[in-house]
Amino acid sequence: SAVISQKPSRDICQRGTSLTIQCQVDSQVTMMFWYRQQPGQSLTLIATANQGSEATYESGFVIDKFPISRPNLTFSTLTVSNMSPEDSSIYLCSGGDFENIQYFGAGTRLSVL
Amino acid sequence: EDQVTQSPEALRLQEGESSSLNCSYTVSGLRGLFWYRQDPGKGPEFLFTLYSAGEEKEKERLKATLTKKESFLHITAPKPEDSATYLCAFRSGGFKTIFGAGTRLFVKA
Repeated sequence: SAVISQKPSRDICQRGTSLTIQCQVDSQVTMMFWYRQQPGQSLTLIATANQGSEATYESGFVIDKFPISRPNLTFSTLTVSNMSPEDSSIYLCSGGDFENIQYFGAGTRLSVL
Repeated sequence: EDQVTQSPEALRLQEGESSSLNCSYTVSGLRGLFWYRQDPGKGPEFLFTLYSAGEEKEKERLKATLTKKESFLHITAPKPEDSATYLCAFRSGGFKTIFGAGTRLFVKA
């Protein structure tokens, strides 16, 4: 298994600003993913973070809005850019092993005013 | 289009009252059916992976089963600490995992 540390755990941000969320895994994982989860709803995949190359984004998510980095096997960041109230959500990072069993961080609860 | 549907949306049980959660899926090529548990304010926690029809896995009061079109999570004699949201997910191609909307389980003492 893997332990995922994510920070910040929560933040309140002003419209138009950006927030970078960090995700650290305690062991090497095959894949790293970023999800968004509205309260009471399921997880929506934003992108797959690829080591040393551009992330693979899902439909409806673009790099300019959600730039992602993964400089090594155990660390990734997600930036939420030019935020609006519609970006208020819970953002989750996960690490996946070779069977794609995913281990999740506790999430970042973001509120945009 | 690959889809996963969970039912019921919410389930209220008395302690000791066994029941089952359903996950039905439509996928072109199943490469793993996953069950996760999510507690409020936390990320999902992995429970089981199933790969082929007929497969079953157990952990304490939980047993997961898989057919060609659906999976069940059976909860035997639940306790209040089993209260959580249970998420079903599947992997089709590549490494992408599709999550269902979840079943919120409430177990009353």
